[in-house]
This record gives sequence, structure tokens and C-alpha cells, in this order.
Amino acid sequence: SQKIEQNSEALNIQEGKTATLTCNYTNYSPAYLQWYRQDPGRGPVFLLLIRENEKEKRKERLKVTFDTTLKQSLFHITASQPADSATYLCALVADSNYQLIWGAGTKLIIKP
Amino acid sequence: DTAVSQTPKYLVTQMGNDKSIKCEQNLGHDTMYWYKQDSKKFLKIMFSYNNKELIINETVPNRFSPKSPDKAHLNLHINSLELGDSAVYFCASSQQSTAPEQFFGPGTRLTVL
Repeated sequence: SQKIEQNSEALNIQEGKTATLTCNYTNYSPAYLQWYRQDPGRGPVFLLLIRENEKEKRKERLKVTFDTTLKQSLFHITASQPADSATYLCALVADSNYQLIWGAGTKLIIKP
Repeated sequence: DTAVSQTPKYLVTQMGNDKSIKCEQNLGHDTMYWYKQDSKKFLKIMFSYNNKELIINETVPNRFSPKSPDKAHLNLHINSLELGDSAVYFCASSQQSTAPEQFFGPGTRLTVL
């Protein structure tokens, strides 16, 4: 069956360290994968997109990698800050109608 | 300058009632979506409209009926509400149906008692 998995347990990271979140998928061949941030009581906000032919994408303190062999994307936040605390969702495009399939998200807590 | 807005933010109602949620986007986008986010936080697509035309209609009870009076608005009407309808409903938009980035509204928390 098709699945997208993100670590359901909250990730606690000390301020200043690098936070790494994982998104694994099975039985998909996505054209691209996206990462969104969701704060409590708010809608998801787009952060980064990485295409199947790209290994890595960066935006300021954010970095995303995409390994289509491992069927995995890693999302890194360097020099993490308490304001980075949120739930991070991965989503992939699974088919020709460009429908997004979403992971359940990982809650990230950055401790001062 | 809200890009995607939804009303109401909270909706508490009794089983069996009919209710509507409204969504508007001022981004000039062609495509709009309705998602349901359940208690486990999974976002599931319900409907998608492109230029007022329905393009995605997932397996959703026919008690849910979307209406798009123009491409800036996509409303969701729910008949005969059930306990299992309790969730957060998000409206989103994208430039086109093939555009990857989606812009979300703040969500409507629906509680059915």
C-alpha cells in the first residue's frame, strides 16, 4: 500500500543545533516533494520544494535532500531557534492530477 | 491583506444540522481546494476546483457539497452533520492546478455534538 511516514514523536532539539526531520514514502514515484510548516491553529505554510532530479535544495537556514532510491527526504534546520518550533509536514505529488499526498507531520520543539 | 480567508473560524453544532464554510482568496489563483485534517493531523484532499470547475472529487460522502460561484470563492456545504465530521477544514489555493505551492487558509474547526 502507499504510505508517507514522518516521525510521529516530537523532536526536541537544543537551540543552536541542527534539527533533522525525516519523510519516508513507499509505493510512490513522486515528481516532487514539498515541506510545509504548520503552527497551532493555523494552516500549513509552504517552505521548500525539491524535484525528483534534484539531490538538495537550500533556503537560508533550511536544507532539503531527496533520495529517490531510499524513497526518503530529509529536512534540516541549521542554527535552530525557539521560533522554529512547529509541526513540519511533507507532501508529495503522487499522480498526473497533481494531487498532494500528505504526511502527518513531525512536531519540532527547540529548547532555549 | 489576508491571502486565503475562511469563515467561520470555529463552528459548533448539533448532529443532523446543515452548515456552510466559506472561503475566499485574493491571490488571483485559478485553483482552490478543500482539505480535512483529522485528529491524527493527516491532511486529506476532499475537492479541488479549477476556474470554477470541479477537478478532484475524492471519496467524500455526498452530504458534502462544494460550490464555486467564481474562481476567488469556494464554499463547502455539509448536510446532516455527523459526529465523524468533527475535524479542522482547510481551504487552499494554488496558481494553477499544476502549480505545486499551495496557500492555506487559517482553518475552520468543526465540532459536531
